[in-house]
Amino acid sequence: AQSVTQPDIHITVSEGASLELRCNYSYGATPYLFWYVQSPGQGLQLLLKYFSGDTLVQGIKGFEAEFKRSQSSFNLRKPSVHWSDAAEYFCAVGVKGNTGKLIFGQGTTLQVKP
Amino acid sequence: EAGVTQSPTHLIKTRGQQATLRCSPISGHTSVYWYQQALGLGLQFLLWYDEGEERNRGNFPPRFSGRQFPNYSSELNVNALELEDSALYLCASSLSGDRYNEQFFGPGTRLTVL
Repeated sequence: AQSVTQPDIHITVSEGASLELRCNYSYGATPYLFWYVQSPGQGLQLLLKYFSGDTLVQGIKGFEAEFKRSQSSFNLRKPSVHWSDAAEYFCAVGVKGNTGKLIFGQGTTLQVKP
Repeated sequence: EAGVTQSPTHLIKTRGQQATLRCSPISGHTSVYWYQQALGLGLQFLLWYDEGEERNRGNFPPRFSGRQFPNYSSELNVNALELEDSALYLCASSLSGDRYNEQFFGPGTRLTVL
């Protein structure tokens, strides 16, 4: 069965430091992959997506992610974190076969220290 | 361009009552998805509507139902409410037949069951 694992439930980084959020997936083929961000009390905002092609994808707010097929990973990175980046981050895989379903990881809460 | 909108923002019900949640998709999107985000359970796929038809449902009991109207807006109904139905309910929309399943989310409806 398809699944998504975000190993880190909670991460704290200092403002200006670099960030990497981990995401591992289990899927039988090349997946469609997404990163979403959720601020407290808000819905999900799409940060970036990977469908095919270049394995390094750029997103909004200075985020990027790299798809590594050999490691079944799609880690999210940002070179310099801002206090406004504090939020919960979700990795998701789109299930092929016209199911309409996204499978989400459990989320990683990012705290930014001043 | 207006995003996905949901109403109401908050809804408080008592056990056994019925709740109705509403969602308007992005203009031009004909697919609507519902997800439940309950504490400790993460984001779970509930339902998918496209062109007025239910296309897929997640592992939820039949008391979770909904419909999609001719203008593509959607309604989620939860009958015989139970305490564990308390959650944030997120609606998302996408273009019909989007093979990549790129979904855009609304701000959610917070349902509290007392």
